[in-house]
Amino acid sequence: GQNIDQPTEMTATEGAIVQINCTYQTSGFNGLFWYQQHAGEAPTFLSYNVLDGLEEKGRFSSFLSRSKGYSYLLLKELQMKDSASYLCAVREGSGNTGKLIFGQGTTLQVKP
Amino acid sequence: GAVVSQHPSRVICKSGTSVKIECRSLDFQATTMFWYRQFPKQSLMLMATSNEGSKATYEQGVEKDKFLINHASLTLSTLTVTSAHPEDSSFYICSARSRNSGNTIYFGEGSWLTVV
Repeated sequence: GQNIDQPTEMTATEGAIVQINCTYQTSGFNGLFWYQQHAGEAPTFLSYNVLDGLEEKGRFSSFLSRSKGYSYLLLKELQMKDSASYLCAVREGSGNTGKLIFGQGTTLQVKP
Repeated sequence: GAVVSQHPSRVICKSGTSVKIECRSLDFQATTMFWYRQFPKQSLMLMATSNEGSKATYEQGVEKDKFLINHASLTLSTLTVTSAHPEDSSFYICSARSRNSGNTIYFGEGSWLTVV
C-alpha cells in the first residue's frame, strides 16, 4: 500500500522562508514530485527528486532522503502569490511508466 | 512546453445522464494518461491509468463500469461518467506523459462536473 503524509495547513509571513514536509511509505519508489495548485486550477509542476539530496530551482528547493522516506519543499522570499496548496506526489513502479500518488496537500497561507 | 487540453472545462448535467470529458495532448504523443478526481479541499485521487490501445487500469474502489475510459489514440483519452449522480460532482483532471518526456507529466486544466 501507500501512505503519503503532509501537514494540512501552514501559515507564513511574506518575505520569510517556509518548509513543507512530506513523509511517504510506498510499495515501490521511483521519484518524488512537488506540485503547486491554486484553488480551482490544475497542479503546476515545481520539482522532482529521485536521488538523495537537494534540488534548487530559484526560490524553490526540494530535498529527498530515500532511506528516511522523507522530502521537503523549501520556499524562500515568500510572496503573497505563493498562497496555494502544495502537493507531494510519489511515483511508483519502474522506469517512467509509474503512476503518481498524491498526498493530501498542504494549504499555505502567506500573510503580509 | 507541452500542452494538455481538457474539454469541457465546466459541465452541468442532469442526474442519470452520462457526460464525456476529453483529454488531448496537443503537441506530443501521450503513451499514458492518468485520470484524477478532486473533491473540494482534498487532494487528487487517482482513478485510473490509461494506456493507448489497451484497457485502462482502475484504482481500487473506482467502478470501471461507471467511469468509462477510452484511450483510442496517442493524443486523446476520454472519461465518460455514466448514470451520473450528484455525488459524482467533482473536479476531474487528466495528466499525460510523453514517450519522450522522461519524468515530466503534464496536467490538463481540469473539468468541473456538476450533477443536478
